[in-house]
Amino acid sequence: GAGVSQSPSNKVTEKGKDVELRCDPISGHTALYWYRQSLGQGLEFLIYFQGNSAPDKSGLPSDRFSAERTGGSVSTLTIQRTQQEDSAVYLCASSLGAVYSNQPQHFGDGTRLSIL
Amino acid sequence: DAKTTQPPSMDCAEGRAANLPCNHSTISGNEYVYWYRQIHSQGPQYIIHGLKNNETNEMASLIITEDRKSSTLILPHATLRDTAVYYCIVRVASGSQGNLIFGKGTKLSVKP
Repeated sequence: GAGVSQSPSNKVTEKGKDVELRCDPISGHTALYWYRQSLGQGLEFLIYFQGNSAPDKSGLPSDRFSAERTGGSVSTLTIQRTQQEDSAVYLCASSLGAVYSNQPQHFGDGTRLSIL
Repeated sequence: DAKTTQPPSMDCAEGRAANLPCNHSTISGNEYVYWYRQIHSQGPQYIIHGLKNNETNEMASLIITEDRKSSTLILPHATLRDTAVYYCIVRVASGSQGNLIFGKGTKLSVKP
């Protein structure tokens, strides 16, 4: 079946521009996560959505980062006034149940963001 | 949070079993052990998870010691396509969090 889909797969933009990254989770998955991975580093948690609950934004690095999930499905991660340190691979994951259900997270292949 | 310790790298001959160890000595009673792998330029791929019983699926087997302080991921017949970084993760289970905390993992190189 279809996995987690992210777009674009690559994005190059100039410093100071805004970018929007999209994630289509697996159909029926109620939980959605955003992570980022810098070159040679581990995954850094950004934000978590579960159903209609308020999202867990504890991992967002600054107020330039925001995310929304409309209709409980597709999510967009927006970075305003991008800076060079925002360059990374942004990964989206979804899981079948709430965080406490221990259902595994399934990842997309990410968006590789490069800030010039 | 429970932490995990894995060897930084391992080699395995193609067709042989790959046994990847993980130590998680501070694991809590209700925390699961998850294994993921990441092949270059791809997102992490879920492999298997377990609580205390051994688990097997079409990809691998997971052996968890009785005291739950360590586990081993077994790829029964490694192929070249299994070359990847393998991550052993203990799920954060506090409050509303559930994000996975990836360490440095084990880089498995399957050689012909």
